[in-house]
Amino acid sequence: DQQVKQNSPSLSVQEGRISILNCDYTNSMFDYFLWYKKYPAEGPTFLISISSIKDKNEDGRFTVFLNKSAKHLSLHIVPSQPGDSAVYFCAASAWPGTGNQFYFGTGTSLTVIP
Amino acid sequence: NAGVTQTPKFRVLKTGQSMTLLCAQDMNHEYMYWYRQDPGMGLRLIHYSVGEGTTAKGEVPDGYNVSRLKKQNFLLGLESAAPSQTSVYFCASKTGERLEGYTFGSGTRLTVV
Repeated sequence: DQQVKQNSPSLSVQEGRISILNCDYTNSMFDYFLWYKKYPAEGPTFLISISSIKDKNEDGRFTVFLNKSAKHLSLHIVPSQPGDSAVYFCAASAWPGTGNQFYFGTGTSLTVIP
Repeated sequence: NAGVTQTPKFRVLKTGQSMTLLCAQDMNHEYMYWYRQDPGMGLRLIHYSVGEGTTAKGEVPDGYNVSRLKKQNFLLGLESAAPSQTSVYFCASKTGERLEGYTFGSGTRLTVV
């Protein structure tokens, strides 16, 4: 059963506009969340994280919001750039958990149109 | 600093053949993981290791075996490949720190015909 869900397989945004990627989770024990970015033929790379003691974390153009009551997080990219075109995965880990592992969503493919 | 290195990058196998995928990390990470990525399925955990000499099953372990004889290496074996094992395989590693993410390798694209 998928514990982390990304219900939008794809998203297209004009350059300069905001991109909003969404992620929902079902396990109330999840308390640490990350977003990874993946280009074709490469491994995922870490983008930004948030722990459950916060509701927002910002790093440059990237902001992650966490709504614990709704079990929902979102990634905002402002302004979007063509180089942001990639697949974005959200991931979550639980405490206590087994093996320090992360559970991944199915990914959202973002296309930023110049 | 190479990070996480996976070999090979590509491989085509015939049904029933065996092979081993190698993952090597030079960051002295305790934890190592093997994931597979399939369209519409995201990244699913096959096996993982919490330290040298240890292994454990993940979400989709059937048809795979693993070994971690040295801290820096994590091997994924397919004893008798099946077309359902056609996938992109990613290795990842991390420290024991709770609030840290994975470092991933660049992946191995495996096709079983």
